[in-house]
Amino acid sequence: QVQLQESGPGLVKPSETLSLTCTVSGGSISTYFWSWIRQPAGKGLEWIGRIYNNGETSYNPSLKSRVTMSLDTSKNQLSLKLISVTAADTAIYYCARLLGGYYNYMDVWGKGTTVTVSS
Amino acid sequence: DIQMTQSPSTLSASVGDRVTITCRASQSISSWLAWYQQKPGKAPKLLIYKASSLEGGVPSRFSGSGSGTEFTLTISSLQPDDFGTYYCQQYNSYWTFGQGTKVEIK
Repeated sequence: QVQLQESGPGLVKPSETLSLTCTVSGGSISTYFWSWIRQPAGKGLEWIGRIYNNGETSYNPSLKSRVTMSLDTSKNQLSLKLISVTAADTAIYYCARLLGGYYNYMDVWGKGTTVTVSS
Repeated sequence: DIQMTQSPSTLSASVGDRVTITCRASQSISSWLAWYQQKPGKAPKLLIYKASSLEGGVPSRFSGSGSGTEFTLTISSLQPDDFGTYYCQQYNSYWTFGQGTKVEIK
């Protein structure tokens, strides 16, 4: 059974880069597609981006200029980088597996990691 | 962008009640809709995909219906463990979530 675990700094300074890792266990990242989602405290869910197992990416247009996602098959990890962060980027960040073929839904989620942007 | 609108925002019901949550898409998404349940401090959990397909291990009291722009999630007999916030999500074009429906047990 696939399990996901997000990790990274819990505190990032404004204007700096947020870097998170999602470690996949119980399955190979090369087999599936993956996504990142975030949720500000007490608010709803926002899709950040998705990455296919060939490394092809697609990002939320509202974040596209600041986001980069990548895969590290040797470590079975996916990563998220968000540059020039502000307080508005403070949120719980989740990684999730995408399933379904051409149209993909998120069937397995990590527990999430909280990131606070503050000086 | 496809916008998703859920109603109601909050719902309070008694154990055993039949509960229905509605989700509307700003344009047709065929049946590319999922429903998730989120409890406080936890990640969302997939309940329904492709509008009406029940995810494995999810109780059969949960059901989904609809296509095009209007969808519903029904809990046939509300149980104490069903409290939480429910989100719809379209995956026809990128991914967009509804704003959530908080379900409280009376």
